[in-house]
Amino acid sequence: SQTIHQWPATLVQPVGSPLSLECTVEGTSNPNLYWYRQAAGRGLQLLFYSVGIGQISSEVPQNLSASRPQDRQFILSSKKLLLSDSGFYLCAWRGGSRGRAGWFFGPGTRLTVL
Amino acid sequence: AQSVTQLGSHVSVSEGALVLLRCNYSSSVPPYLFWYVQYPNQGLQLLLKYTSAATLVKGINGFEAEFKKSETSFHLTKPSAHMSDAAEYFCAVSDEGGSEKLVFGKGTKLTVNP
Repeated sequence: SQTIHQWPATLVQPVGSPLSLECTVEGTSNPNLYWYRQAAGRGLQLLFYSVGIGQISSEVPQNLSASRPQDRQFILSSKKLLLSDSGFYLCAWRGGSRGRAGWFFGPGTRLTVL
Repeated sequence: AQSVTQLGSHVSVSEGALVLLRCNYSSSVPPYLFWYVQYPNQGLQLLLKYTSAATLVKGINGFEAEFKKSETSFHLTKPSAHMSDAAEYFCAVSDEGGSEKLVFGKGTKLTVNP
């Protein structure tokens, strides 16, 4: 069966510091991968998605970036964090043909920027 | 572009009462529709999905939803609420054309009173 991992689980960072969040998927190959952010009062916002190694689509212009160095690894980064980057970051993969099985989410990373 | 509207950001029911969470969607192509549940500080868990088959779909934990094309709705119901149903619920839409994206509503927080 498929499993999705995210780390770290929680992170407290000062404004202006760098960021690296990692997501890995097990039990599937060539998955579509996604980063969502959940901020208070703003629902679930799609940040980036990737349909393959090195292929990144950005949904929201901001100081975040994403990379996919390996088939089942998806990384979210920032060079300098802002207060507004605080939130709950969720990684997901798309299951089944054209998503018929649904999107499946990791446990999330709680980021607090002080 | 696809979108989802969840009516009511907060719903409160008594234990044993009917749960009804409303979701209306907008899509120019036949949709795939999903309901997810989120417990505090956890990722999203797929409750049920509609992917062009039966219009009444049953999910986990006794929940079900009915796809009504004429009303562009996909409301979530459960005949009898349990205390453990207290959580936040998200409706989401993709499409059978293989859209790369899953678009979420803003969520409904369900409170179950004893």
